[in-house]
Amino acid sequence: GDSVTQMEGPVTLSEEAFLTINCTYTATGYPSLFWYVQYPGEGLQLLLKATKADDKGSNKGFEATYRKETTSFHLEKGSVQVSDSAVYFCALSDQGGSYIPTFGRGTSLIVHP
Amino acid sequence: DAGVIQSPRHEVTEMGQEVTLRCKPISGHDYLFWYRQTMMRGLELLIYFNNNVPIDDSGMPEDRFSAKMPNASFSTLKIQPSEPRDSAVYFCASSSQAGVGYNEQFFGPGTRLTVL
Repeated sequence: GDSVTQMEGPVTLSEEAFLTINCTYTATGYPSLFWYVQYPGEGLQLLLKATKADDKGSNKGFEATYRKETTSFHLEKGSVQVSDSAVYFCALSDQGGSYIPTFGRGTSLIVHP
Repeated sequence: DAGVIQSPRHEVTEMGQEVTLRCKPISGHDYLFWYRQTMMRGLELLIYFNNNVPIDDSGMPEDRFSAKMPNASFSTLKIQPSEPRDSAVYFCASSSQAGVGYNEQFFGPGTRLTVL
């Protein structure tokens, strides 16, 4: 079945540091890939998405590239801010399957001033 | 649109009591999901509906949990009787299948349930 594996957290960084959160996936069809973010006390919200191989999703300075050859969708940001502190979830929606999203376990990011 | 609306935002109850969580999805969305989030187990899909019909309830932990969707704009998740291990944040989410390959889910703010 479909699955998503994320690096375990928490990831702790200083402000302006470079961020990478790794995500790899297993899918039987042709998935769309997503990163969701959950700020403290809130629900998840879509951060960025990519629907086919080599697509790059980007939003709020975050980027992720859909790499079919390595089945990966790593999240990156060049310079994190304290306000980026949140939990980040990688997810996939398999177009060849049920369309129901599969979420990773989430990775907590803590950014210190 | 106001987004997905959940109520109550916080619920504190005693073991054995009935708890009802409510959700109003985004108008026009044909999928509705109920999730539970805990530190130990992360985000778990409990049940989802398509066009008001329950499709997969395999994530419902036990018979104490039940969910209904009487119409396109309202769903409930009921726990009867509640137990301390049910303490968690419960999220409702909705989505539309329109647009192949783009099934973004829209989450509500969640209900934080504490069972004493």
